Amino acid sequence: GAGVSQTPSNKVTEKGKYVELRCDPISGHTALYWYRQSLGQGPEFLIYFQGTGAADDSGLPNDRFFAVRPEGSVSTLKIQRTERGDSAVYLCASSSLSQSSYNEQFFGPGTRLTVL
Amino acid sequence: GENVEQHPSTLSVQEGDSAVIKCTYSDSASNYFPWYKQELGKGPQLIIDIRSNVGEKKDQRIAVTLNKTAKHFSLHITETQPEDSAVYFCAASKKGGGTSYGKLTFGQGTILTVHP
Repeated sequence: GAGVSQTPSNKVTEKGKYVELRCDPISGHTALYWYRQSLGQGPEFLIYFQGTGAADDSGLPNDRFFAVRPEGSVSTLKIQRTERGDSAVYLCASSSLSQSSYNEQFFGPGTRLTVL
Repeated sequence: GENVEQHPSTLSVQEGDSAVIKCTYSDSASNYFPWYKQELGKGPQLIIDIRSNVGEKKDQRIAVTLNKTAKHFSLHITETQPEDSAVYFCAASKKGGGTSYGKLTFGQGTILTVHP
């Protein structure tokens, strides 16, 4: 079946602008994660959704970052007043997470965000 | 929180040789250790994982070992092929309750180059 999809694949914006990044998880996966990957680094956790609610947003760097998942499927990561330091690849992953299972996460191709 | 260290940062081998990548973790509660392969411009792809109730797991040319006492785990690739060239990431997470459930902490990555 279809994997995790993310749109857009590339986004170039100017400093101070607002951006939205979209993630479509694997159908039926209740858990959804956002990670950020800077050049030459491993992905870093941003936020985790179980269903519609954000169960853990401890990785969001500041209040310019916000994410929603209103119907428990598609998620949108929103960044206000973008800064050059926000430039990175934003990765989304989904999992059929349950309390009794281990957490196999499947990643999308990412959105490369460039803030000029 | 969890901290994962990965070595080496780069690894160059001849086709047919073996490659070994090592990771250490800090949180003794971590119990799930996946390995991801990331090709240029793509998201991380899960290649193998190991759970804390086993010490070794093998899948064709790939094997992982886990030493819970020492808190380290390793990826072994035998009979390497040029198509194995990519960036490899180790990660750690916890199964079971709490808001950090399922969050992956990644190592810094290893760039593997297999020369024909």
